[in-house]
Amino acid sequence: EDQVTQSPEALRLQEGESSSLNCSYTVSGLRGLFWYRQDPGKGPEFLFTLYSAGEEKEKERLKATLTKKESFLHITAPKPEDSATYLCAEWITGGGNKLTFGTGTQLKVEL
Amino acid sequence: DAGVIQSPRHEVTEMGQEVTLRCKPISGHNSLFWYRQTMMRGLELLIYFNNNVPIDDSGMPEDRFSAKMPNASFSTLKIQPSEPRDSAVYFCASSLQGLTTEAFFGQGTRLTVV
Repeated sequence: EDQVTQSPEALRLQEGESSSLNCSYTVSGLRGLFWYRQDPGKGPEFLFTLYSAGEEKEKERLKATLTKKESFLHITAPKPEDSATYLCAEWITGGGNKLTFGTGTQLKVEL
Repeated sequence: DAGVIQSPRHEVTEMGQEVTLRCKPISGHNSLFWYRQTMMRGLELLIYFNNNVPIDDSGMPEDRFSAKMPNASFSTLKIQPSEPRDSAVYFCASSLQGLTTEAFFGQGTRLTVV
């Protein structure tokens, strides 16, 4: 069964304390790996799409990387406004397109 | 642009009733997606359209669910009859072209079936 596993489920950081979120995906047939941010009561907000192992993308304090079996979202010197749930999703082919989301990592950044 | 607009924001209905959720995508976007989010199952893609044509509806849970896109600026997701287990937040999203371009989500419709 296609599965996307995110860890940790929840993470509490002090402001300025860098860390990484993990997303393990189904290895075969990956077409793309997405990262989204979701604030309470709102729809997800697109962050990145990664297509091949070794690819990296950055946006402000966030950097997403992709290996052959997992993706990392690195948060450098986080601020309280980075607090949100971060979702990853795999897009795979083979028998049609399939998009599967992980259950997310709930990040809280404290002063 | 105002972004993706969904209505209503909240809907409470009785079991067995028909529910219709509405979505207006961003103008110029060719792809539209319907998602459902619950605590138990997370975010699930139900169906997506390209140029008003349903491309993949494999995520639609049952025949009680149907989606239409009569034109480029409007889509509906209908549940008939509704059941308590349909309670969830339903999101609509649109993108310029399919899954390869950035998708913009609406604010969602919180559906409660009692």
